[in-house]
Amino acid sequence: KQEVTQIPAALSVPEGENLVLNCSFTDSAIYNLQWFRQDPGKGLTSLLLIQSSQREQTSGRLNASLDKSSGRSTLYIAASQPGDSATYLCAVEATGNTPLVFGKGTRLSVIA
Amino acid sequence: GAVVSQHPSWVICKSGTSVKIECRSLDFQATTMFWYRQFPKQSLMLMATSNEGSKATYEQGVEKDKFLINHASLTLSTLTVTSAHPEDSSFYICSANPGGAGTQYFGPGTRLTVL
Repeated sequence: KQEVTQIPAALSVPEGENLVLNCSFTDSAIYNLQWFRQDPGKGLTSLLLIQSSQREQTSGRLNASLDKSSGRSTLYIAASQPGDSATYLCAVEATGNTPLVFGKGTRLSVIA
Repeated sequence: GAVVSQHPSWVICKSGTSVKIECRSLDFQATTMFWYRQFPKQSLMLMATSNEGSKATYEQGVEKDKFLINHASLTLSTLTVTSAHPEDSSFYICSANPGGAGTQYFGPGTRLTVL
Protein backbone atom coordinates (compact mmCIF):
# COMPACT_ATOMS: atom_id res chain seq x y z
CA LYS A 1 0.00 0.00 0.00
CA GLN A 2 1.38 3.37 -1.03
CA GLU A 3 2.32 5.74 1.77
CA VAL A 4 3.33 9.34 1.35
CA THR A 5 5.33 11.19 3.99
CA GLN A 6 6.04 14.89 4.13
CA ILE A 7 8.79 16.52 6.15
CA PRO A 8 8.72 18.86 7.96
CA ALA A 9 5.16 18.94 9.25
CA ALA A 10 5.46 22.67 9.89
CA LEU A 11 7.93 25.34 8.91
CA SER A 12 8.25 29.00 9.79
CA VAL A 13 10.67 31.20 7.86
CA PRO A 14 11.33 34.92 7.47
CA GLU A 15 10.28 36.57 4.25
CA GLY A 16 12.80 36.28 1.43
CA GLU A 17 14.24 32.92 2.38
CA ASN A 18 14.52 30.05 -0.05
CA LEU A 19 13.07 26.84 1.30
CA VAL A 20 12.65 23.17 0.48
CA LEU A 21 9.74 20.92 1.30
CA ASN A 22 10.24 17.18 1.17
CA CYS A 23 7.99 14.35 0.10
CA SER A 24 8.73 10.63 0.06
CA PHE A 25 6.65 7.70 -1.13
CA THR A 26 7.05 3.99 -0.50
CA ASP A 27 6.07 2.54 -3.88
CA SER A 28 8.15 3.94 -6.73
CA ALA A 29 5.73 2.64 -9.39
CA ILE A 30 3.87 5.90 -9.80
CA TYR A 31 2.18 7.53 -12.76
CA ASN A 32 2.70 11.08 -11.59
CA LEU A 33 3.31 13.23 -8.54
CA GLN A 34 1.57 16.48 -7.81
CA TRP A 35 2.11 19.32 -5.39
CA PHE A 36 -0.90 21.23 -4.11
CA ARG A 37 -1.44 24.28 -2.00
CA GLN A 38 -4.31 24.47 0.47
CA ASP A 39 -5.26 27.63 2.31
CA PRO A 40 -7.11 27.29 5.63
CA GLY A 41 -10.67 26.14 5.12
CA LYS A 42 -10.27 26.07 1.35
CA GLY A 43 -9.90 23.55 -1.43
CA LEU A 44 -6.82 22.48 -3.33
CA THR A 45 -4.80 24.52 -5.78
CA SER A 46 -2.59 22.47 -8.07
CA LEU A 47 0.92 23.90 -8.20
CA LEU A 48 3.01 21.46 -10.19
CA LEU A 49 2.48 18.08 -11.81
CA ILE A 50 5.44 15.85 -12.60
CA GLN A 51 4.89 12.86 -14.83
CA SER A 52 6.83 9.71 -13.94
CA SER A 53 9.13 10.19 -16.91
CA GLN A 54 10.04 13.73 -15.88
CA ARG A 55 12.68 14.91 -13.43
CA GLU A 56 11.39 18.37 -12.60
CA GLN A 57 8.84 21.06 -13.28
CA THR A 58 9.05 24.79 -12.75
CA SER A 59 6.45 27.49 -12.35
CA GLY A 60 7.56 30.96 -11.37
CA ARG A 61 9.31 30.77 -8.00
CA LEU A 62 8.42 27.11 -7.59
CA ASN A 63 10.48 24.16 -8.68
CA ALA A 64 9.58 20.55 -8.03
CA SER A 65 11.90 17.63 -8.60
CA LEU A 66 11.18 13.94 -8.77
CA ASP A 67 13.51 11.02 -8.12
CA LYS A 68 11.21 8.12 -8.75
CA SER A 69 13.73 5.38 -8.09
CA SER A 70 14.42 6.66 -4.58
CA GLY A 71 10.80 7.60 -3.94
CA ARG A 72 11.44 11.28 -3.30
CA SER A 73 10.28 14.67 -4.44
CA THR A 74 11.16 18.15 -3.30
CA LEU A 75 9.36 21.44 -3.72
CA TYR A 76 11.68 24.42 -3.80
CA ILE A 77 10.23 27.86 -3.12
CA ALA A 78 12.49 30.78 -3.95
CA ALA A 79 12.33 34.17 -2.27
CA SER A 80 9.41 33.26 -0.04
CA GLN A 81 6.64 35.78 0.59
CA PRO A 82 3.97 36.05 3.29
CA GLY A 83 1.41 35.13 0.63
CA ASP A 84 3.07 31.74 0.34
CA SER A 85 1.81 30.85 3.80
CA ALA A 86 -0.39 27.78 3.40
CA THR A 87 -0.31 24.01 3.71
CA TYR A 88 1.50 22.23 0.89
CA LEU A 89 0.37 18.74 0.01
CA CYS A 90 2.20 16.13 -2.02
CA ALA A 91 0.20 13.41 -3.75
CA VAL A 92 1.00 10.47 -6.02
CA GLU A 93 -1.13 8.65 -8.56
CA ALA A 94 -0.47 4.97 -9.22
CA THR A 95 -1.78 4.78 -12.79
CA GLY A 96 -3.91 7.02 -14.95
CA ASN A 97 -7.31 7.86 -13.49
CA THR A 98 -6.70 6.27 -10.11
CA PRO A 99 -7.19 8.06 -6.79
CA LEU A 100 -4.40 10.17 -5.40
CA VAL A 101 -2.60 9.23 -2.21
CA PHE A 102 -1.81 12.32 -0.19
CA GLY A 103 0.79 13.14 2.39
CA LYS A 104 -0.22 14.95 5.57
CA GLY A 105 1.21 18.20 4.31
CA THR A 106 3.69 20.81 5.42
CA ARG A 107 2.23 23.90 7.05
CA LEU A 108 4.30 26.87 5.96
CA SER A 109 4.35 30.27 7.61
CA VAL A 110 6.33 33.07 6.01
CA ILE A 111 6.87 35.91 8.43
CA ALA A 112 7.08 39.47 7.13
CA GLY B 1 -8.33 23.88 -17.80
CA ALA B 2 -11.07 21.49 -16.81
CA VAL B 3 -13.50 22.59 -14.11
CA VAL B 4 -15.14 20.57 -11.38
CA SER B 5 -17.82 22.17 -9.23
CA GLN B 6 -19.33 21.12 -5.93
CA HIS B 7 -22.56 22.15 -4.33
CA PRO B 8 -23.12 23.24 -1.67
CA SER B 9 -19.84 24.82 -0.61
CA TRP B 10 -20.87 24.54 3.01
CA VAL B 11 -23.76 23.11 4.96
CA ILE B 12 -24.80 23.05 8.59
CA CYS B 13 -27.38 20.49 9.64
CA LYS B 14 -28.86 18.89 12.71
CA SER B 15 -27.84 15.45 13.82
CA GLY B 16 -29.94 12.75 12.18
CA THR B 17 -30.63 14.57 8.94
CA SER B 18 -29.33 13.58 5.50
CA VAL B 19 -27.18 15.82 3.35
CA LYS B 20 -26.57 15.53 -0.39
CA ILE B 21 -23.41 16.87 -1.99
CA GLU B 22 -23.11 17.23 -5.75
CA CYS B 23 -19.95 16.98 -7.81
CA ARG B 24 -20.12 18.10 -11.44
CA SER B 25 -17.59 18.09 -14.22
CA LEU B 26 -18.54 21.24 -16.12
CA ASP B 27 -16.67 20.88 -19.41
CA PHE B 28 -15.80 17.21 -19.69
CA GLN B 29 -17.23 13.78 -19.11
CA ALA B 30 -15.92 11.51 -16.39
CA THR B 31 -16.75 7.85 -16.04
CA THR B 32 -14.98 7.86 -12.70
CA MET B 33 -15.00 10.38 -9.91
CA PHE B 34 -13.36 10.14 -6.53
CA TRP B 35 -14.63 11.29 -3.14
CA TYR B 36 -12.19 12.30 -0.42
CA ARG B 37 -12.69 13.39 3.17
CA GLN B 38 -10.46 15.67 5.19
CA PHE B 39 -10.79 15.99 8.96
CA PRO B 40 -9.35 19.08 10.68
CA LYS B 41 -5.57 19.22 10.47
CA GLN B 42 -5.49 15.92 8.60
CA SER B 43 -4.77 15.12 5.00
CA LEU B 44 -7.21 14.00 2.35
CA MET B 45 -8.28 10.39 2.54
CA LEU B 46 -10.06 8.55 -0.24
CA MET B 47 -13.56 7.50 0.74
CA ALA B 48 -14.88 5.92 -2.41
CA THR B 49 -14.64 5.66 -6.17
CA SER B 50 -17.77 6.63 -8.04
CA ASN B 51 -18.37 4.76 -11.30
CA GLU B 52 -20.91 5.94 -13.85
CA GLY B 53 -23.64 3.38 -14.32
CA SER B 54 -22.39 0.98 -11.67
CA LYS B 55 -21.93 0.70 -7.94
CA ALA B 56 -19.35 2.74 -6.14
CA THR B 57 -16.39 1.06 -4.51
CA TYR B 58 -15.68 2.07 -0.93
CA GLU B 59 -12.46 2.18 1.02
CA GLN B 60 -12.07 0.04 4.08
CA GLY B 61 -13.78 1.59 7.07
CA VAL B 62 -16.22 3.70 5.05
CA GLU B 63 -19.82 2.62 5.55
CA LYS B 64 -21.49 2.26 2.17
CA ASP B 65 -24.97 2.42 3.70
CA LYS B 66 -24.15 5.70 5.38
CA PHE B 67 -22.38 7.39 2.49
CA LEU B 68 -24.55 6.78 -0.55
CA ILE B 69 -22.95 7.53 -3.90
CA ASN B 70 -24.87 7.87 -7.14
CA HIS B 71 -23.09 8.49 -10.45
CA ALA B 72 -26.10 8.74 -12.71
CA SER B 73 -24.49 10.61 -15.58
CA LEU B 74 -21.06 11.26 -17.02
CA THR B 75 -20.96 14.71 -15.46
CA LEU B 76 -22.57 14.25 -12.06
CA SER B 77 -21.83 12.25 -8.96
CA THR B 78 -23.65 12.76 -5.67
CA LEU B 79 -22.64 11.83 -2.15
CA THR B 80 -25.43 11.58 0.41
CA VAL B 81 -24.49 11.47 4.05
CA THR B 82 -27.42 9.69 5.66
CA SER B 83 -28.39 10.28 9.29
CA ALA B 84 -25.45 12.58 9.77
CA HIS B 85 -23.81 12.81 13.18
CA PRO B 86 -21.26 15.28 14.58
CA GLU B 87 -18.41 12.87 13.83
CA ASP B 88 -19.29 13.17 10.12
CA SER B 89 -18.37 16.85 10.22
CA SER B 90 -15.58 17.17 7.72
CA PHE B 91 -14.44 18.69 4.44
CA TYR B 92 -15.58 16.59 1.48
CA ILE B 93 -13.82 16.98 -1.87
CA CYS B 94 -14.41 15.25 -5.18
CA SER B 95 -12.13 14.88 -8.18
CA ALA B 96 -12.48 13.79 -11.79
CA ASN B 97 -10.16 13.11 -14.71
CA PRO B 98 -10.95 14.28 -18.24
CA GLY B 99 -9.07 11.27 -19.54
CA GLY B 100 -5.86 10.73 -21.45
CA ALA B 101 -2.60 11.57 -19.71
CA GLY B 102 -4.07 14.51 -17.89
CA THR B 103 -4.31 15.17 -14.22
CA GLN B 104 -7.29 14.98 -11.96
CA TYR B 105 -9.21 18.11 -11.25
CA PHE B 106 -10.59 18.78 -7.82
CA GLY B 107 -13.79 20.46 -6.81
CA PRO B 108 -13.65 23.33 -4.32
CA GLY B 109 -14.91 21.14 -1.51
CA THR B 110 -17.95 21.07 0.78
CA ARG B 111 -17.63 21.78 4.45
CA LEU B 112 -20.17 19.82 6.44
CA THR B 113 -20.92 20.72 10.04
CA VAL B 114 -23.33 18.50 11.94
CA LEU B 115 -24.68 19.97 15.16
